[in-house]
Amino acid sequence: AQKITQTQPGMFVQEKEAVTLDCTYDTSDPSYGLFWYKQPSSGEMIFLIYQGSYDQQNATEGRYSLNFQKARKSANLVISASQLGDSAMYFCAMREGGYRGSTLGRLYFGRGTQLTVWP
Amino acid sequence: DGGITQSPKYLFRKEGQNVTLSCEQNLNHDAMYWYRQDPGQGLRLIYYSQIVNDFQKGDIAEGYSVSREKKESFPLTVTSAQKNPTAFYLCASSISRTPPPNEQFFGPGTRLTVL
Repeated sequence: AQKITQTQPGMFVQEKEAVTLDCTYDTSDPSYGLFWYKQPSSGEMIFLIYQGSYDQQNATEGRYSLNFQKARKSANLVISASQLGDSAMYFCAMREGGYRGSTLGRLYFGRGTQLTVWP
Repeated sequence: DGGITQSPKYLFRKEGQNVTLSCEQNLNHDAMYWYRQDPGQGLRLIYYSQIVNDFQKGDIAEGYSVSREKKESFPLTVTSAQKNPTAFYLCASSISRTPPPNEQFFGPGTRLTVL
């Protein structure tokens, strides 16, 4: 079974609008961490935001926020006020285990969502 | 500047040849990872190492080998046994600490093409 599922191969959004990228996960471990990475066409992976399974509040980092719904096992990324530079591939990832998800454990990645921002 | 370097950026090899991809980090990170990326597949874990002289297989280790003789270096060898080695290879590292997130930092990647 897939640990991370991203059901949107591609998304389009107009500049300055908000967009939500979906991510669902599968784990039986009560301690885990969820990550979002951005991959521009250059290929580098850029860490955006993190949510721990025990965190009470949704994570936010600037224009990025994570809509964490634990019961539904979803961790959607919301990008507000989209910019042309946001056009990239976005990956959701999960690390299982450890105290508050803070181990060196491996990451499981989804297949990604290609976001295109148009003017 | 601290970071992860991978060399070369582009690599071409003939079928049947072994090739070694370099990954070096000066972040003093404990753990290092190798991922393979194919179009539409996301990132798949090949090998990872949490400490010098120790490493574990990931999901697609067949046809690959690694070594971790120094904390800073984690080279990946793509052997002739790997049936479809053409792909984008990403190296990453992370530190052992609390609290989270302990995110993985990635290198710029090596694009390997086997002719």
